[in-house]
Amino acid sequence: QKEVEQDPGPLSVPEGAIVSLNCTYSNSAFQYFMWYRQYSRKGPELLMYTYSSGNKEDGRFTAQVDKSSKYISLFIRDSQPSDSATYLCAMSPNDYKLSFGAGTTVTVRA
Amino acid sequence: DTEVTQTPKHLVMGMTNKKSLKCEQHMGHRAMYWYKQKAKKPPELMFVYSYEKLSINESVPSRFSPECPNSSLLNLHLHALQPEDSALYLCASSTNNGELFFGEGSRLTVL
Repeated sequence: QKEVEQDPGPLSVPEGAIVSLNCTYSNSAFQYFMWYRQYSRKGPELLMYTYSSGNKEDGRFTAQVDKSSKYISLFIRDSQPSDSATYLCAMSPNDYKLSFGAGTTVTVRA
Repeated sequence: DTEVTQTPKHLVMGMTNKKSLKCEQHMGHRAMYWYKQKAKKPPELMFVYSYEKLSINESVPSRFSPECPNSSLLNLHLHALQPEDSALYLCASSTNNGELFFGEGSRLTVL
């Protein structure tokens, strides 16, 4: 079993829809949770960062962490074609080593 | 735009060449990283420098040699690479609470 599980998709939604992405994990030591967006042939861009459990909102993006269920989510409201990218979840305990999910490829259709 | 700058953006080299990838950040971060990413895969950690000392080396072949001249710079020296080493090489730096910021990457092709 992988340490971080993420459905690779692909996920296709119409413009304006809510995109829902999630990851599950097995290591209860994870404390820091991140979501990255990666466009084709570019480096990953940090979208959301959360420490421990809870929700965080930034514009159209909402990140949720449920440590009791070992489950994290990212929601994108009012999705735009420019949101079409691969979304990677990542998490770490108190050291420098991030564990990544496989990445979910999202296409928002105009 | 990312504040982690990588050069060159693209590199093509033969198996006998020696080349270097360079990375620079001016965010005051004290940890810097090299990752390797193959197509449709997540990044894989290669090396971590913390306070200019190598702290994590993920059993990477010796044909990859990292160097951290100072807290803002990170190099990756390449020698005698194989075609399977062709990938996107990502530099990153992190804050003290673990937020990791990537550069745009250097796309390496080994012929």
